[in-house]
Amino acid sequence: NAGVTQTPKFQVLKTGQSMTLQCAQDMNHEYMSWYRQDPGMGLRLIHYSVGAGITDQGEVPNGYNVSRSTTEDFPLRLLSAAPSQTSVYFCASSKDTQLGYGYTFGSGTRLTVV
Amino acid sequence: QKEVEQDPGPLSVPEGAIVSLNCTYSNSAFQYFMWYRQYSRKGPELLMYTYSSGNKEDGRFTAQVDKSSKYISLFIRDSQPSDSATYLCAGRPTGANNLFFGTGTRLTVIP
Repeated sequence: NAGVTQTPKFQVLKTGQSMTLQCAQDMNHEYMSWYRQDPGMGLRLIHYSVGAGITDQGEVPNGYNVSRSTTEDFPLRLLSAAPSQTSVYFCASSKDTQLGYGYTFGSGTRLTVV
Repeated sequence: QKEVEQDPGPLSVPEGAIVSLNCTYSNSAFQYFMWYRQYSRKGPELLMYTYSSGNKEDGRFTAQVDKSSKYISLFIRDSQPSDSATYLCAGRPTGANNLFFGTGTRLTVIP
């Protein structure tokens, strides 16, 4: 049982490049989400999904796309990287948020955009 | 105004001290409250979970929620150097899917 797996762990991009951050969970969790964590700002929600085929925007969605074709995977796409997207990105999943279950987080992807 | 406010610290205490970490929130609809612990360069991990008002104890950790004052607290007894981490409080309104996090308080326990 690996939990939530994020790849890559580190990435350096040039401004304007695109990339996909991968997130996979093996706990059969319906809810998955992406956060970015910046100093002094805490965790901010980018996008989330309550099940396969369903996604919605969070607090800071601009510049990011997501899709959820399977229960297990929830990739985050940066369309045209900007220095403001330099951050640590966390993927999280939950069994059932309506019943108050907590989130399980991945170990994060550290992204630098130069 | 953020949904959840948290003093970022940093907070340094000697080993064995009682630690008090606090947050305030603004949304009266919050019903679920959580504390996460995050070690350096790691993802947050769930530490404590409470529903509505009251106290919950788990070993050296006690989580307390006072909905009348919109105040969330985490107490750590007999603090250990291994407790050195950033502690994040979070809340979720009834009917919502997403958690709202505080910015985190960095704690250092000095041996």
